[in-house]
Amino acid sequence: AQSVTQLDSQVPVFEEAPVELRCNYSSSVSVYLFWYVQYPNQGLQLLLKYLSGSTLVKGINGFEAEFNKSQTSFHLRKPSVHISDTAEYFCAVSVSGNTGKLIFGQGTTLQVKP
Amino acid sequence: DGGITQSPKYLFRKEGQNVTLSCEQNLNHDAMYWYRQDPGQGLRLIYYSQIVNDFQKGDIAEGYSVSREKKESFPLTVTSAQKNPTAFYLCASKSATGSGYTFGSGTRLTVV
Repeated sequence: AQSVTQLDSQVPVFEEAPVELRCNYSSSVSVYLFWYVQYPNQGLQLLLKYLSGSTLVKGINGFEAEFNKSQTSFHLRKPSVHISDTAEYFCAVSVSGNTGKLIFGQGTTLQVKP
Repeated sequence: DGGITQSPKYLFRKEGQNVTLSCEQNLNHDAMYWYRQDPGQGLRLIYYSQIVNDFQKGDIAEGYSVSREKKESFPLTVTSAQKNPTAFYLCASKSATGSGYTFGSGTRLTVV
């Protein structure tokens, strides 16, 4: 079975500082990897996804993530955060060729301080 | 524009009542999903459907029921058997061939 672990429940950071949100997964088969952002009382918006190919994936709003197969990680990074990046971030996996079910991590709340 | 519409945005339920959450999509997606979100627990899969008139239980299906009579619609009923229904519910859809998921804006259910 697949599982996702987001290593930090909350990450406080000052505006314009870099940030990394950590995500590890476990799976014995190939997976697709996703990062979503959620603002209060809203649905999920896709930041980026890894399906295959280059391990460095660039997404919206200046975010990027790197797929590391040997460490089974998919950490999300941004070189300089803004107040508007304050939100909850979810890492998710989907097994390729499966029913398309997304398995989510517990979420990381990014708190950007002025 | 195509998308997913969840209604209502807020819903209040009395103890012992069944309530139905609506999820409609006009994306022509084959698969639809219901997730429950609780603080600190991420999103957990309740039910999913890959095709009309067929659906499967997810990880936390007890106390819930669904139907998929039309491709566009995947309503979720929270029954009185669900002992702790207060949560944020999200519906999603996905095409059979693509890798992208589309999420609705959610329904917040509160038991009063």
